[in-house]
Amino acid sequence: DAGVTQSPTHLIKTRGQHVTLRCSPISGHKSVSWYQQVLGQGPQFIFQYYEKEERGRGNFPDRFSARQFPNYSSELNVNALLLGDSALYLCASSRGDGEVLGEQFFGPGTRLTVL
Amino acid sequence: AQSVSQHNHHVILSEAASLELGCNYSYGGTVNLFWYVQYPGQHLQLLLKYFSGDPLVKGIKGFEAEFIKSKFSFNLRKPSVQWSDTAEYFCAVNDWGGATNKLIFGTGTLLAVQP
Repeated sequence: DAGVTQSPTHLIKTRGQHVTLRCSPISGHKSVSWYQQVLGQGPQFIFQYYEKEERGRGNFPDRFSARQFPNYSSELNVNALLLGDSALYLCASSRGDGEVLGEQFFGPGTRLTVL
Repeated sequence: AQSVSQHNHHVILSEAASLELGCNYSYGGTVNLFWYVQYPGQHLQLLLKYFSGDPLVKGIKGFEAEFIKSKFSFNLRKPSVQWSDTAEYFCAVNDWGGATNKLIFGTGTLLAVQP
């Protein structure tokens, strides 16, 4: 079974540019969450989507946005990139139906470097 | 808001030594607790999880963790570590905020096992 996939694996951008990161959840999973992992820290929650609707948002500026498509894949967009946006961006999927167990499965991440 | 503290940032052990990594969380209500591991060059993987029932939970690769509600702790243990356990370990707790199911992570513990 395919796990969570993310693209691209690495990305280099300059300050002020825009970036789009993509995620495909595990087949049958309807919920996608995005996390930012800065070097030396644990992942921090950015967004959660379920059935194409935003379920929650972490403490990130409006430059960060996301959406979920009918096939449950998701995009994370970051505008006006800052040096501090350099991080590993993780996508996690979960079943979403009832969320009784709350277990999330993580993808390999996209390493974003902002110069 | 919930928070998770991991007391050890770096741990160096010799093979066959015993391991205990500390984790404390702040929330006093019902919690779901997790330990994730990130091997070098790989994505976050679930080691074990606690939802309810027996406070001693067993995970993959010989790891176990004990949930002590009175101490708000969920420490990870392994009786005898191997070189292949070299990785970064993250403790996490579910934060059910409204309709959002997000994970709050600790800052991680980098474990190096010397052969």
